[in-house]
Amino acid sequence: DSGVTQTPKHLITATGQRVTLRCSPRSGDLSVYWYQQSLDQGLQFLIQYYNGEERAKGNILERFSAQQFPDLHSELNLSSLELGDSALYFCASSPGLSSSYNEQFFGPGTRLTVL
Amino acid sequence: AQSVTQLGSHVSVSEGALVLLRCNYSSSVPPYLFWYVQYPNQGLQLLLKYTTGATLVKGINGFEAEFKKSETSFHLTKPSAHMSDAAEYFCAVSENTGNQFYFGTGTSLTVIP
Repeated sequence: DSGVTQTPKHLITATGQRVTLRCSPRSGDLSVYWYQQSLDQGLQFLIQYYNGEERAKGNILERFSAQQFPDLHSELNLSSLELGDSALYFCASSPGLSSSYNEQFFGPGTRLTVL
Repeated sequence: AQSVTQLGSHVSVSEGALVLLRCNYSSSVPPYLFWYVQYPNQGLQLLLKYTTGATLVKGINGFEAEFKKSETSFHLTKPSAHMSDAAEYFCAVSENTGNQFYFGTGTSLTVIP
């Protein structure tokens, strides 16, 4: 158990819909990262938040957005869903701003299926 | 720009045989290198990491990896495979000043009894 929690575990929805994925980092970790894992694209970095502020952006679509709240939990919002958005979405956390030295601790993921 | 290449998306070894999973990276600055393991239906777990210092890094579960700058490689090895090693393995690279990890596409390891 990494200490990172993600809800829900599974999510099934239809095209065009909007969903929210939630992540609670390890106690004391200030950075939260979101990743998308799909069969054809592998593990793609989406976005990082540190202590409530966006710090780094990866391959995140404009239809996707995220935020980190004062209690440090984070939410990833996916809107206008397409079939290709079906994937496993991971959240990870690390203590500091830079993840380069510190490892990232991954949650169990949310499996999103868009029908 | 940084990138990671994992040669071989699927590797099969016999139980007790040597495990060798290949990882090559490209980075314009000294890299930090990581190996993560993903068991079925679970998140990623850190196996080992190289930041600075000794180039041979030992991790959990008997795995080790050697950073070879001249070959831009960070191959993962284990002398004797165990059935419980069957999983997906990801190599990742990060800059020493950056916030992003760049993951390889992963290698699925099968251990044959």
